[in-house]
Amino acid sequence: DTGVSQNPRHKITKRGQNVTFRCDPISEHNRLYWYRQTLGQGPEFLTYFQNEAQLEKSRLLSDRFSAERPKGSFSTLEIQRTEQGDSAMYLCASSLAGTAEAFFGQGTRLTVV
Amino acid sequence: AQSVTQLDSQVPVFEEAPVELRCNYSSSVSVYLFWYVQYPNQGLQLLLKYLSGSTLVKGINGFEAEFNKSQTSFHLRKPSVHISDTAEYFCAVTRGQGGKLIFGQGTELSVKP
Repeated sequence: DTGVSQNPRHKITKRGQNVTFRCDPISEHNRLYWYRQTLGQGPEFLTYFQNEAQLEKSRLLSDRFSAERPKGSFSTLEIQRTEQGDSAMYLCASSLAGTAEAFFGQGTRLTVV
Repeated sequence: AQSVTQLDSQVPVFEEAPVELRCNYSSSVSVYLFWYVQYPNQGLQLLLKYLSGSTLVKGINGFEAEFNKSQTSFHLRKPSVHISDTAEYFCAVTRGQGGKLIFGQGTELSVKP
């Protein structure tokens, strides 16, 4: 296992389009997190799953954002009707419940033009 | 609620000099503390973590940090930096094992020859 994998690494989209990102966690990890990082800022928590259950969502996660983890393995983050303010790095992390260390993927950089 | 303040947004330093990156946190409950490093267009890599026990924590790449409960600080130090240490450094806190991370704004460490 090579760690947390995110695809695509980069995405350029036009305003108003929908985009979907994928995250494959470390295989034995049952917790999966999504964060958003804008330029010059620290990552901000969006949501997390334990297995297939979405346990917490940030207020940052507007109605245009939806995340799923249907079989408790990979997760997708969809943004509908993208806006320029959605331009950011979207980071995925995974961990084992009961442990404190989260492992991050390389991120997906979204640019909305 | 927890929060993290990184007191310096940029720290320029010459190669082989010592460096300290400052981090203060606020929380009404016990927390776990972390330092992550981020290279350009990359995800986050864990440098070190404090969960319990000894307040001096050693991490990768020669970094160490000291947890000071009375001052609610978790400053990161390295006695002699290299050019390759140039990166963004983030301090983070979580309330429980496996919980969401709350990040500081980041400190850009720039090591000059």
